[in-house]
This record gives sequence, structure tokens and C-alpha cells, in this order.
Amino acid sequence: DGGITQSPKYLFRKEGQNVTLSCEQNLNHDAMYWYRQDPGQGLRLIYYSQIVNDFQKGDIAEGYSVSREKKESFPLTVTSAQKNPTAFYLCASSTSGRGEQFFGPGTRLTVL
Amino acid sequence: AQRVTQPEKLLSVFKGAPVELKCNYSYSGSPELFWYVQYSRQRLQLLLRHISRESIKGFTADLNKGETSFHLKKPFAQEEDSAMYYCALSALQGGKLIFGQGTELSVKP
Repeated sequence: DGGITQSPKYLFRKEGQNVTLSCEQNLNHDAMYWYRQDPGQGLRLIYYSQIVNDFQKGDIAEGYSVSREKKESFPLTVTSAQKNPTAFYLCASSTSGRGEQFFGPGTRLTVL
Repeated sequence: AQRVTQPEKLLSVFKGAPVELKCNYSYSGSPELFWYVQYSRQRLQLLLRHISRESIKGFTADLNKGETSFHLKKPFAQEEDSAMYYCALSALQGGKLIFGQGTELSVKP
């Protein structure tokens, strides 16, 4: 089940720690996205990147950081500044511009 | 403001009954709209998009620009249709998707 992968599947973090969620794609897509999924709130965009070495904040970027050093990879760091980080995180990719996005299986982050 | 609204959090129907999941949007330009589905323990996947005007798994959705709606319909629901459904709008900026809150469809036997 390739395409777009995320790791780990489950992640536990103590308060005050930074953690990094991995997202890799082998679809040769230019654009990549990070969403946060909370019950009753749908998916909310954290960060997105349309091209290597460039990324933009989404609607809820505070407390998160990203990098895009390679086309295939778009890791998300959840910092200690994120007040409510417990959530399900989804990574997606697409060819540049508008159109269908392909989603990874997600990472469930729990702050203890 | 760009927004997608799904007014129903949960929709419960019996097998064989018609189902309609509502989606309304606000967008100043020409929208590109999608329905995504998330079955239990599976990843979010595209169900259909308004441009293709296809019927997927018996589902259809018509874009109504006058009512700014993109409701998802199926004449006879099946138990395997039980899932979380998200309506999404593709924004011009960066190709990002704006999602509705999601509707959980439960099809009872």
C-alpha cells in the first residue's frame, strides 16, 4: 500500500516535548499538505507546500513547523507551543494546482 | 469567505432507503467540489468530484450554483456505505482543500 505513507501510526508525547511526524510520497507530486482531524470539526489545514524549499501556513499553523527539503518528504513538527496537540494528523499530496488530493493513513498523536 | 458546511453530524437510515448528505459552500470564484469518504480503519479517499459527473458506488452529486450546494445522493443505501463523508472545496490558492465538518452515515440492516 504505497503512494503516501505516514509514520508512526501512534505517537505518545509528554507535555513540553517536540515531536516530528513523518510523511513520504512516491507519487512524484509537487504539492503536499498537513491536516488535523478532530471529531466534529472536519479537517483543518496546518501547512502546505507547493514546491521543494517552499511552504505556507494554513489555517491553524500556530505551534507547528514543517520543512520541505525533498520532493518526497514533508515532515511536521508539533512543538511544545501547540496548546492542544492530541489529534489525528493526516498528510496529503497532489499534483500542483487544484485537484484530487491523496491521503496517507494518518498518525494519532496523544499527549500524556 | 470560503466555507463548506455540512449541517448533519450523523445521518442514520435503513438499508434500501434513499440517502442525501447535504453540503453547502460559499466561494467567490468558480468552485471545484469533491466528496471524500473515510471507511472504518481506512484512509480518506476520493469518492467523486463534480467535474467528472460520474456515479461512484451508486452515489451522485450535482453542483447547484444557484443554491451553492453539492449534495450527495444515493437511491438505495447499503450497509457498506456506512462511513464518514466529507465535502470539500478546492481553493485557488495552493490547491488546498477546505473541508466541511463531516457527516457520519450509518446504514442499519
